[in-house]
Amino acid sequence: AQRVTQPEKLLSVFKGAPVELKCNYSYSGSPELFWYVQYSRQRLQLLLRHISRESIKGFTADLNKGETSFHLKKPFAQEEDSAMYYCALSGGAAGNKLTFGGGTRVLVKP
Amino acid sequence: DAGVIQSPRHEVTEMGQEVTLRCKPISGHNSLFWYRQTMMRGLELLIYFNNNVPIDDSGMPEDRFSAKMPNASFSTLKIQPSEPRDSAVYFCASSPRGRGTEAFFGQGTRLTVV
Repeated sequence: AQRVTQPEKLLSVFKGAPVELKCNYSYSGSPELFWYVQYSRQRLQLLLRHISRESIKGFTADLNKGETSFHLKKPFAQEEDSAMYYCALSGGAAGNKLTFGGGTRVLVKP
Repeated sequence: DAGVIQSPRHEVTEMGQEVTLRCKPISGHNSLFWYRQTMMRGLELLIYFNNNVPIDDSGMPEDRFSAKMPNASFSTLKIQPSEPRDSAVYFCASSPRGRGTEAFFGQGTRLTVV
């Protein structure tokens, strides 16, 4: 079975402070990990994926297979980062079953 | 392409009534997913299809829920009979075939069962 856990439902930080969203997963095979973001009144959209090893909007995430984690980090949070963030795992027998964690709401205060 | 299109955007219905949610995936995408979003549980995968075939429906809560994909450009999620606890936002998403590909989401249907 594949499972994604986001332990924090809400993270509140001040503008300019670092932010880290935790994500842990369980999966017996070789997973693909993603972070999706949902801004207010907008569609859920892809933020970044682990295979790209990219930084998007200042966010980075490193896949740690030993700790089965894929935490999302940004050194200096901005007010426009306030949104709902979902960690997701793709796997399964068909290769593309996409399972999401419970989500973390980030609130960046001025 | 207009992206994934869901209809209706909002639905208010009385308990016991049948509800049908509709989804048009992005042309050329082989996989289609239905999710339910609530404050308590976040995004739950209900069912997904590959090439119009249901692959995993283990997330469908009960027999009151059913989903179909009669062709590559259309899918429905039906709840019969509906109950107040079904109130949620239902999302449809599609993706090209293959591991690691991005899923594109629709705007969602906000369902309220009174």
